[in-house]
This record gives sequence, C-alpha cells and structure tokens, in this order.
Amino acid sequence: QSVLTQPPSVSGAPGQRVTVSCTGSSSNIGADYDVHWYQQLPGTAPKLLIYGNTNRPSGVPDRFSGSKSGTSASLAITGLQTEDEADYYCQSYDDSLSGWVFGEGTKLTVL
Amino acid sequence: QMQVVQSGAEVKKTGSSVKVSCKTSGYTFIYHYLHWVRQAPGQALEWMGWITLFNGDTNYAQQFQDRVTITRDRSMSTAYMELSSLRSEDTAMYFCALGPPTARYFQHWGQGTLVTVSS
Repeated sequence: QSVLTQPPSVSGAPGQRVTVSCTGSSSNIGADYDVHWYQQLPGTAPKLLIYGNTNRPSGVPDRFSGSKSGTSASLAITGLQTEDEADYYCQSYDDSLSGWVFGEGTKLTVL
Repeated sequence: QMQVVQSGAEVKKTGSSVKVSCKTSGYTFIYHYLHWVRQAPGQALEWMGWITLFNGDTNYAQQFQDRVTITRDRSMSTAYMELSSLRSEDTAMYFCALGPPTARYFQHWGQGTLVTVSS
C-alpha cells in the first residue's frame, strides 16, 4: 500500500487530454516536498518526466505538464499519442518515513 | 554520453544473499545520490536506499534497514546493493538511479536487474 494515492488507470482517445492525480498527506506533499513524475513504458526502466512539480527535463515534450496544490499533484497529458501508453508514477519525500515514496502507478491506455 | 549500467540477472535460493552492481560513466556524478529502487512483478516502485559516491554515506528505507547494504567503489564509479535473507517476495526488478545532490528525485536510471528467488 503506497503512501501516495493514484488512480489505477486512465484512458483517452488520440488527441485528447487526460490527467493523473496523486494524493498525499501532511507528511509528504502537504509538507511542501516537491512532486516528481515518471513514465515507464512496458518492459523498460522508468524515465523522469516532470521534476520539481512543474519542470520538464530536456527532451520531454511540452504536451506533458505538472501541477501541485495542497496535499495533491496532477500530471496532464495533452494531444494524446499511442506512444504515451505507459505506467505513470508520482514520487515525493515523506517526513514520517524519512524516505522517498512513490504512488501506486497509473496505467494510461490510449483508445 | 551518460550511462548507468547494471549487472545481469540473478537466480538465488531462499535464505541466500544477492549483490547487484551499478556502474556510472560519462559524467561526474560524484556528488549525486545513487539510489536503489525495486519493482516486484506487476507492482509499484519501492525505494530501498541511497549512497553518496563522494564519501559513502548511506540511508536506508525502514523496511529494508536490517537486510540491505549499499556500498561503492569510488575509483570505479560503481555502487553495489546487497540484499540478504532472501525470500520469494524479493523476486523483483532492481533499479539503480542517480539523484541530484540538491533535490529528491531520480534523474538517470539503470536498465534494471532481475532477481529471482526460489526454493
């Protein structure tokens, strides 16, 4: 059972916009720790998608964006493409656990 | 070109130990944190701990504190993760990942090492 809660799955048609939520608590996201997002394509290692709540590493398309408010964060993907089908994980730091924590992961299906 | 390369797959018996390596190259990561993250089949990512390549300081997740040891060979820019008293639930893909010294995220990932534990 993960400290950060994500929906198990989301879906959308090509070209549409989807969002993935990540809900934490006062000991992690609510304690003002940054939220980061990773994309994991089938059978591969995770890849950093968003860091520091809203920042994209070089090479990540601007179709991907992140936001944070209170004890929650969101990843938005616009202009969905078939290659976006993957698992998406949020990650932060937790004071009570004194460690890095992940969400349960959300599987994105592009219909 | 930055590279993070892990050692190959392992098959281990219940109760034994496994040691996985992670070599970094192509960039000076000396001040980065080198983390270990595992992923059981069909499950979420789980952080295990980190080591600093500079001075070897370590920090372990509470659930692994009594079974994991992370070490490094600074001259070879290589880190190692040893997990002891293996049980079937430890069957997973183990990733190493570099994190910047001033932020708490995982910037560059290794390809993963599959560890299979059976009796």
